[in-house]
Amino acid sequence: GAGVSQTPSNKVTEKGKYVELRCDPISGHTALYWYRQSLGQGPEFLIYFQGTGAADDSGLPNDRFFAVRPEGSVSTLKIQRTERGDSAVYLCASSLTHQETQYFGPGTRLLVL
Amino acid sequence: AQSVTQLDSQVPVFEEAPVELRCNYSSSVSVYLFWYVQYPNQGLQLLLKYLSGSTLVESINGFEAEFNKSQTSFHLRKPSVHISDTAEYFCAVSSQGAQKLVFGQGTRLTINP
Repeated sequence: GAGVSQTPSNKVTEKGKYVELRCDPISGHTALYWYRQSLGQGPEFLIYFQGTGAADDSGLPNDRFFAVRPEGSVSTLKIQRTERGDSAVYLCASSLTHQETQYFGPGTRLLVL
Repeated sequence: AQSVTQLDSQVPVFEEAPVELRCNYSSSVSVYLFWYVQYPNQGLQLLLKYLSGSTLVESINGFEAEFNKSQTSFHLRKPSVHISDTAEYFCAVSSQGAQKLVFGQGTRLTINP
């Protein structure tokens, strides 16, 4: 079956702009996660959804970052007033339930100029 | 808080040689442990995991890892590597009952013919 998909695969934007990154989880997976991977680092947790609600958003770095999952499937990560330090690969993962294996998407590479 | 340390950022080995990728973690609670692999130009894939039971876990492609609670380690080993094992390997931990993964910085495994 289809895995986790993320769009766009690459995004180049200018400092101060707004961006949206999309994640389509595996069908039927109730749990969805966002991570950020900076160059040379391991992924860092941002936020976790169980269904439509954000069950843990402790990893969001500041209030410029926001994520939604309005129908319990597709999720959008939104970044306002982007900064050069936001440049990274943003990874999405989903799992059947909250304690099952997490399956990762290919990521969106964000470059803020 | 939890943390993961991967002691080697890069490990070069010759084909058919044995390899060990080291991982140590810190946590004040019981944990689940994972190794993920990222092949060139691909997303993260689960290689193996320890949840409970036998402390030695194996993957389908010949890797194994042993959970050592006293040494807080989860080292990954393979007795004979192949060119196709060239990838970046990430060790990760989650606390039992929690959802987010905490990753190490990764170890780049390079196989030389």
